[in-house]
Amino acid sequence: NAGVTQTPKFQVLKTGQSMTLQCAQDMNHEYMSWYRQDPGMGLRLIHYSVGAGITDQGEVPNGYNVSRSTTEDFPLRLLSAAPSQTSVYFCASSYDRDVGELFFGEGSRLTVL
Amino acid sequence: AQSVTQLDSQVPVFEEAPVELRCNYSSSVSVYLFWYVQYPNQGLQLLLKYLSGSTLVKGINGFEAEFNKSQTSFHLRKPSVHISDTAEYFCAVSGISGGYNKLIFGAGTRLAVHP
Repeated sequence: NAGVTQTPKFQVLKTGQSMTLQCAQDMNHEYMSWYRQDPGMGLRLIHYSVGAGITDQGEVPNGYNVSRSTTEDFPLRLLSAAPSQTSVYFCASSYDRDVGELFFGEGSRLTVL
Repeated sequence: AQSVTQLDSQVPVFEEAPVELRCNYSSSVSVYLFWYVQYPNQGLQLLLKYLSGSTLVKGINGFEAEFNKSQTSFHLRKPSVHISDTAEYFCAVSGISGGYNKLIFGAGTRLAVHP
């Protein structure tokens, strides 16, 4: 089983460049989310979606956009990268939005110069 | 608003010793509580969860946690640790906010098991 797949695993950007982090899950989960992980700060929720066509902001949404056109995919877009967005990004999904047990991808390490 | 506080950023311990990783939370609604583990260069995986019922929850790899509603705590314990338990551990709380559930994480506790 593939589970949650994130691409790319590593990326280096220059300030002002744009990019999209891809996330796909094959478990037919309705709930998907994006977190960023920074040292000493744990994981912080960026955006989440409770189903196709529905997205909402988390704790740290500024500088990021998301869309959810299908159940399987939940891409995260950085429109104009900034050094403060250097982080490890995790996509996660859940079979039940009211339970909260998440299945995580392996992460995408982003460096913005 | 919900928040999670992990009281220790790092916990060093010798192999075969017991360990407790502490977690306190604040929430104005009923919550579900979780512990996740992250091994180096990997994503997080679920260790155990409390949804309802018995306040003592057993998880994988010999870990257990106790939900204490009066103290708003959910401490993680293991009676005898192994080198392979070296990892970062995250406490998380989930509660309804605005009609949808969100999982909020603590800052993490790095467990270092020494021989």
